[in-house]
Amino acid sequence: SYELTQPPSVSVSPGQTARITCSGDALPKQYAYWYQQKPGQAPVVVIYKDSERPSGIPERFSGSSSGTTVTLTISGVQAEDEAEYYCQSADSSGTYVVFGGGTKLTVL
Amino acid sequence: EVQLVQSGAEVKKPGESLKISCKGSGYSFTSYWIGWVRQMPGKGLEWMGIIYPGDSDTRYSPSFQGQVTISADRSISTAYLQWSSLKASDTAMYYCVRHVKTTVVNYFDYWGQGTLVTVSS
Repeated sequence: SYELTQPPSVSVSPGQTARITCSGDALPKQYAYWYQQKPGQAPVVVIYKDSERPSGIPERFSGSSSGTTVTLTISGVQAEDEAEYYCQSADSSGTYVVFGGGTKLTVL
Repeated sequence: EVQLVQSGAEVKKPGESLKISCKGSGYSFTSYWIGWVRQMPGKGLEWMGIIYPGDSDTRYSPSFQGQVTISADRSISTAYLQWSSLKASDTAMYYCVRHVKTTVVNYFDYWGQGTLVTVSS
């Protein structure tokens, strides 16, 4: 079955830039999406279609894609950005949705 | 305002049946896929399946095919997730999601608040 691979954890100091990667063989064919989940809350989409930012999401969140890897970048990280981040995409046919395992972002 | 409002938490015994619900409002319920996502305690997100209320077309993740049933009643803008015989391993938070879907776009733009299902003897 198709898998997306994320690092389990990323740590940054406030004001620094956090980069979270997600790799998968079908990413050149299917868009990627990023969700932020804080404890006790439902996930929220922060990036869609690789690099689009929904309204209401701060500009410090951005996304990029290169080959089989997509990257969520958070510039000028704030304490409130501490959360679990999940990438999501689909298999090459677009039939089955898949999530990455999640990355815990810790703001030191 | 788009809203997905899920039914309340459930505590069940192994072997019991269960049906949880998700009511959509603020948009055309029959024009978007509705999906379900599982999150086991302390774990990540898992896509379970989707239904298109417009014609009841239903797709399941291979991991959940045969384990659950997804349905919808478009007359009341409500989707359902159903088990016929619960197991302890079904203990999880279940989210309903509005699924934006084309051949290359597949994502969840709105999420319900979640329904916690606890299965314990």
